[in-house]
Amino acid sequence: QSALTQPASVSGSPGQSITMSCTGTSSDVGGHNYVSWYQQHPGKAPKIMIYDVSNRPSGVSNRFSGSKSGNTASLTISGLQAEDEADYYCSSYTSFSTLVFGGGTKLTVL
Amino acid sequence: QVQLVQSGAEVKKPGASVKVSCKASGYTFTDYYFYMHWVRQAPGQGLEWMGWINPNSGGIHYAQKFQGRVTMTRDTSISTAYMELNRLTSDDTAMYYCATGNRYATNVGWGQGTLVTVSS
Repeated sequence: QSALTQPASVSGSPGQSITMSCTGTSSDVGGHNYVSWYQQHPGKAPKIMIYDVSNRPSGVSNRFSGSKSGNTASLTISGLQAEDEADYYCSSYTSFSTLVFGGGTKLTVL
Repeated sequence: QVQLVQSGAEVKKPGASVKVSCKASGYTFTDYYFYMHWVRQAPGQGLEWMGWINPNSGGIHYAQKFQGRVTMTRDTSISTAYMELNRLTSDDTAMYYCATGNRYATNVGWGQGTLVTVSS
């Protein structure tokens, strides 16, 4: 099972919106509505930001939103803030009853 | 709220085994909805899913990469899950996390991580 494909880095200025992608196959992202997104600050454990493609856990800012089209899922962060600078990982349930993660995207707030 | 507290850092020699614990609180450990996943992260690298255990049924599912080398168990009397990894090599040096959610995602909470260092 290959890792999902994420861009290595994205950047944006405070107040802007950014979108990062997560590309898989029909056996994972495209075949199931179980894509999640995690935020990880240096030295910290990952934090769930989005699950089931577009659902936000309680306590997560509504500036974070998720979507999916075909084999590619996307995370959009609007009104970018300095505290959003972190690594972001996507994950998906697969047809083999496993989970697979993406390689991660480093978000830089300029 | 949901809290997962993991055991402390370990240093092991190549060929040895390590067993990491994860004590859950703030929810019903054996509720049918909850699965305990294990995820690891090598230094400077991304996240890698290792498998899950269903504390209610004891059912397990491992990533193919770890089949034959990993064992996930639980003790429902103390709401604790365990992950044991055998035949350690330097490539197993990583932060190991437990994370709870349903079988489709680790969408409820994560432990603080346990650093396992494999060195001769």
